[in-house]
Amino acid sequence: SQTIHQWPATLVQPVGSPLSLECTVEGTSNPNLYWYRQAAGRGLQLLFYSVGIGQISSEVPQNLSASRPQDRQFILSSKKLLLSDSGFYLCACGIITIKETQYFGPGTRLLVL
Amino acid sequence: QKEVEQDPGPLSVPEGAIVSLNCTYSNSAFQYFMWYRQYSRKGPELLMYTYSSGNKEDGRFTAQVDKSSKYISLFIRDSQPSDSATYLCAMSPLDSNYQLIWGAGTKLIIKP
Repeated sequence: SQTIHQWPATLVQPVGSPLSLECTVEGTSNPNLYWYRQAAGRGLQLLFYSVGIGQISSEVPQNLSASRPQDRQFILSSKKLLLSDSGFYLCACGIITIKETQYFGPGTRLLVL
Repeated sequence: QKEVEQDPGPLSVPEGAIVSLNCTYSNSAFQYFMWYRQYSRKGPELLMYTYSSGNKEDGRFTAQVDKSSKYISLFIRDSQPSDSATYLCAMSPLDSNYQLIWGAGTKLIIKP
């Protein structure tokens, strides 16, 4: 079965600083990968998804970018963080059963001050 | 109007009670329905998924889909304090692997 690693678990960053969050997946090959953001008490907002190395689709215009340098590695970045970037960031991996089902990593809690 | 509506709660029930969690949706193209459980400060974990209409049972959990009413439910029997979490519904149209439309989640509290 697949395992999704995310780090760090918690991050406190000043406004205007850069960001790099990493997600790696074990136990599956060529997965679809996703970055979500979850605001407190809110549902999940899809930020980016990737169907393969170097293939990134963005769902919302924002201060963030994503890259997929390897099959099972997905990176979320920002050059300059905004206060509104605070939130809980989740990486997910899509596994095909009847249809694709998404499995989530433990998440990174980001606080921008 | 949001595509998926879910009462945020909190829903507080005594241990042992039957819990009913619900989502309504507006897009008749949705065919694939999922329930996730999310403990505080953790990633969501998949509980159950159903395809099209009908019921699906897994232990104490039953997922029900009523496409005519655009309404899905998750029932938890013999609820335990360990069931206290936020429950998120998600759904997807048949022709898309990437579009999961999420409810906002219902916070459930099971009182011992």
